[in-house]
Amino acid sequence: KQEVTQIPAALSVPEGENLVLNCSFTDSAIYNLQWFRQDPGKGLTSLLLIQSSQREQTSGRLNASLDKSSGRSTLYIAASQPGDSATYLCAVTGGGNKLTFGTGTQLKVEL
Amino acid sequence: DTEVTQTPKHLVMGMTNKKSLKCEQHMGHRAMYWYKQKAKKPPELMFVYSYEKLSINESVPSRFSPECPNSSLLNLHLHALQPEDSALYLCASSQEGTANTEAFFGQGTRLTVV
Repeated sequence: KQEVTQIPAALSVPEGENLVLNCSFTDSAIYNLQWFRQDPGKGLTSLLLIQSSQREQTSGRLNASLDKSSGRSTLYIAASQPGDSATYLCAVTGGGNKLTFGTGTQLKVEL
Repeated sequence: DTEVTQTPKHLVMGMTNKKSLKCEQHMGHRAMYWYKQKAKKPPELMFVYSYEKLSINESVPSRFSPECPNSSLLNLHLHALQPEDSALYLCASSQEGTANTEAFFGQGTRLTVV
């Protein structure tokens, strides 16, 4: 059974800081890995998708990497802003279109 | 259009009521999903539909009954729920399982069972 873990569970940083969120998964037989953002009480917004054959994807201030063999992904956020405050979830897609989510990192960026 | 639309946004129902949650997408996706999310927890998969057929049921109690009337619509019928079923219910859609399959989520239905 696929298990996905995120570290840290919570993070508080001052505005402008660069930060790294970590995601690890136990079964490397994945199609892809997605990073999502979730604001309180809201749905999920897709941030980045990394295919299993790719190593990295970038979108604006966000950069995600994937090391499939070691079962790890990182999300790098550059020059953090208060508007980045949210819960960040990674999720891996396995067989049967099954998307398994990580435990999440709650990020707070303070002025 | 990368939108998944869920209705209603909020729902309060009694334990003897019957209600339905609705989900719609027009991206031509052939896989659709229902997830349940409790407060401060990640979403948990409930059901997966592939080409309008139920492909995964994660041992969900029968008081939750999914339905996929066509490739754009997904319903979740609710009957005789318990207070512990109160949660955010999320619908998602994607292409069939390929490496570039990106999942898109709706804004969810906040369900309260009283």
